[in-house]
Amino acid sequence: DGGITQSPKYLFRKEGQNVTLSCEQNLNHDAMYWYRQDPGQGLRLIYYSQIVNDFQKGDIAEGYSVSREKKESFPLTVTSAQKNPTAFYLCASSIDLARAYGYTFGSGTRLTVV
Amino acid sequence: GQQLNQSPQSMFIQEGEDVSMNCTSSSIFNTWLWYKQDPGEGPVLLIALYKAGELTSNGRLTAQFGITRKDSFLNISASIPSDVGIYFCAGIGGGTSYGKLTFGQGTILTVHP
Repeated sequence: DGGITQSPKYLFRKEGQNVTLSCEQNLNHDAMYWYRQDPGQGLRLIYYSQIVNDFQKGDIAEGYSVSREKKESFPLTVTSAQKNPTAFYLCASSIDLARAYGYTFGSGTRLTVV
Repeated sequence: GQQLNQSPQSMFIQEGEDVSMNCTSSSIFNTWLWYKQDPGEGPVLLIALYKAGELTSNGRLTAQFGITRKDSFLNISASIPSDVGIYFCAGIGGGTSYGKLTFGQGTILTVHP
């Protein structure tokens, strides 16, 4: 079955460390997205990518970095510069940016700073 | 940037009751979407609306795209325990927001048997 796989499901990070969250899709989608979810808030866009080797900052990109070397993969690195990284992170994909209504979400990664 | 105001923030209802939630914005959106999120999972699309005034149903769910293109509502009829979760509205605008979803804050629904 096609879908989006995020790993790990739970991640613990010490302060000052960088961590990378994995997102892989086998839907043959061109566009991929990273969102952050905090309690009582909607999803906020971190980064998005329309195509391989291209990505754009979203609304809250500071302290995060991404890469898009393969169509299937869009890893997110939470750097030590991110002041409050504890959150639920969701990856999504769509056929292309024009058909963003066709989002498919992964199951998320819960990151906790200890 | 564009913002969506979703209300209510939470609802506690008895099984069998009807539920209504809505989203409003000061900006125009070209597409309205409604998602449901179960705990620890990603959101799943319930209903998509593409035209102003459009009224769409999906089983016990009904959603409408407001005439002004600045609002949308979702109704759930005859609620059941598995309706529990967080419901999000989302909109797709134009211009610099092209292709990106803006989400409401979510409505947490609790259904008592």
